[in-house]
Amino acid sequence: SQTIHQWPATLVQPVGSPLSLECTVEGTSNPNLYWYRQAAGRGLQLLFYSVGIGQISSEVPQNLSASRPQDRQFILSSKKLLLSDSGFYLCAWRDRVDTEAFFGQGTRLTVV
Amino acid sequence: EDQVTQSPEALRLQEGESSSLNCSYTVSGLRGLFWYRQDPGKGPEFLFTLYSAGEEKEKERLKATLTKKESFLHITAPKPEDSATYLCAVQAIRDSGYSTLTFGKGTMLLVSP
Repeated sequence: SQTIHQWPATLVQPVGSPLSLECTVEGTSNPNLYWYRQAAGRGLQLLFYSVGIGQISSEVPQNLSASRPQDRQFILSSKKLLLSDSGFYLCAWRDRVDTEAFFGQGTRLTVV
Repeated sequence: EDQVTQSPEALRLQEGESSSLNCSYTVSGLRGLFWYRQDPGKGPEFLFTLYSAGEEKEKERLKATLTKKESFLHITAPKPEDSATYLCAVQAIRDSGYSTLTFGKGTMLLVSP
C-alpha cells in the first residue's frame, strides 16, 4: 500500500532563517506531487506541483521554492523566511490518472 | 477561474440531528469533485470522489451527492466523532494540461453529545 511521510511535524524558525521541508511517498511510481499551505480561514492554497523529476510548477509567486530530486521525494525550501510564511504545510500525492489526492500529516511552521 | 464555495462555514449539531453541508463550484469542465475530512492538526483524509451529476456515494453516516452546480454532504444521525472540518475540492485543468485540486475553505462541524 502507498504511504506518504512528511517531516518535521512542527517547526519554529526565526525570521530570515532557511527552510527545508521534506516529503516522501512509498509504494507508487511516478506520482504527481503537491505542496499546499493552509492558513486559518483561507483554505488550502496550492503552492507547487510536480509531474516528474525536476519538473516543478509554481502556482503563487512567493518566498518559497520546491524541488523534486527523486521520483518520490518532494522538498519545499526557502532561503530566508518571512513572518508571513507561517502556516500549516501539507504534501500530497496522486496517481497520474486523475484520482483523489492523499495527504501527509502536515508541518506546522511558525516563523518568529 | 475555478471557484469552490462551501457553506455554512461552521455548523453545530446535536448528536442524532441530521443535516447537510453544501459545496457549490464553478469550473470549466468538471472532472471530479472530492470530499475530505480534516481533524485539527492533521492532514485531510479522503472520503469520496464524484464524477458526474446524479452520482451518489455513501460511507457509514455520510452520503455525498452531485449536481451540475453543487454537491451536498449529508450527515445522518451524526455522532460526536463526526466532528471535524469537511473540505470540498474540484479537479481543474491547468494551461499546462495537468490537473490540480482547488479546495473550498471548508465547513467546521461540531456534534455535541
